Amino acid sequence: GESVGLHLPTLSVQEGDNSIINCAYSNSASDYFIWYKQESGKGPQFIIDIRSNMDKRQGQRVTVLLNKTVKHLSLQIAATQPGDSAVYFCAENIPGYSTLTFGKGTMLLVSP
Amino acid sequence: KAGVTQTPRYLIKTRGQQVTLSCSPISGHRSVSWYQQTPGQGLQFLFEYFSETQRNKGNFPGRFSGRQFSNSRSEMNVSTLELGDSALYLCASSLEGRTNEKLFFGSGTQLSVL
Repeated sequence: GESVGLHLPTLSVQEGDNSIINCAYSNSASDYFIWYKQESGKGPQFIIDIRSNMDKRQGQRVTVLLNKTVKHLSLQIAATQPGDSAVYFCAENIPGYSTLTFGKGTMLLVSP
Repeated sequence: KAGVTQTPRYLIKTRGQQVTLSCSPISGHRSVSWYQQTPGQGLQFLFEYFSETQRNKGNFPGRFSGRQFSNSRSEMNVSTLELGDSALYLCASSLEGRTNEKLFFGSGTQLSVL
């Protein structure tokens, strides 16, 4: 029978391009956000985090932008490499919740 | 500093059996959380332990249980396995278990129930 899986949006880019992965978060009170990278069969890897008192934070080859007006978070990856191919998902902290709330993710495919 | 370590990496069990998974958090981290990840449901929270006490629990049946030891290492147990328990089980650790602090995951234990 047909299997029902989590259908993820996919972003396909060429090696060397810049990638932008988006996340619409759920709650205007959310005050902390994390981006994770998950390769097939592996656990999520912490990439970068940002607090709601900031609009932008930079790491190594990655930048996270936070737009609180429209509840939008983005992850920019510069000079994307084949090793960046993975599922990327965001997590938000909603005050009063006992756990982070995780997004479903975006699959990034990088072709050489 | 070593990351979150989970053992075993893979497990194959049959229905009705039980299984124990182990997690060693990052040194200095006192909170350990467990998640189930399946293609159809994404990441689902099982429970969180801090100082050997279960502080939070997700919406899973009582067949899923866990514990934490005085050195912060944690185990989770699933009894009377069902086919639907096949999943990647992830352990995550953080310093104090606050939801506004960094949360780091292990590589997971891939459980297959036949």
